[in-house]
Amino acid sequence: KQEVTQIPAALSVPEGENLVLNCSFTDSAIYNLQWFRQDPGKGLTSLLLIQSSQREQTSGRLNASLDKSSGRSTLYIAASQPGDSATYLCAVSSGNTPLVFGKGTRLSVIA
Amino acid sequence: DAMVIQNPRYQVTQFGKPVTLSCSQTLNHNVMYWYQQKSSQAPKLLFHYYDKDFNNEADTPDNFQSRRPNTSFCFLDIRSPGLGDAAMYLCATSRELRGGWSGANVLTFGAGSRLTVL
Repeated sequence: KQEVTQIPAALSVPEGENLVLNCSFTDSAIYNLQWFRQDPGKGLTSLLLIQSSQREQTSGRLNASLDKSSGRSTLYIAASQPGDSATYLCAVSSGNTPLVFGKGTRLSVIA
Repeated sequence: DAMVIQNPRYQVTQFGKPVTLSCSQTLNHNVMYWYQQKSSQAPKLLFHYYDKDFNNEADTPDNFQSRRPNTSFCFLDIRSPGLGDAAMYLCATSRELRGGWSGANVLTFGAGSRLTVL
């Protein structure tokens, strides 16, 4: 059974810092991995999707990498801003199971 | 814009009073999903419809039911809500190729329906 773990659970950084969020998964036979953003009390916004054959994806200040063999992904946020404050969720699709999510990393960027 | 719309955004109900949450989509996706997300927890899949075929997760309580009258709409019925059912309920859709599950396609989520049980 696929399990997804995100570390750290919470992170607080000053504005302007670069930061890395981590995601690990137990079954490396994945179809794809997605990073989502969730604002308090809101739904999910897809940030980046990495197919199993890809190593990384970039969107603006965000870069997601995938190392399928080791069961790891990272989300790199450059030059963080207060507006980046949110919970970031990692989710993988594998086998016959739709997306399995981690619990997320709650990010606070302090002005 | 094509999208996934959930109603209501906020629902307050009394203990034991049935609730129905709705999800509609204009993406013409053939798969629709319902996830439950409790506070500070990972979203948990309750069930999904692959076309008209209903797929229930093994640990989804019988208190939760779903209906999909057509491609565009899917409903989540909670027959007798308990305090432990208070959560955000997320609907999502995807397009899967005919002939089987690939899991390779992106899920599009709605904004969610937050349920409060008094």
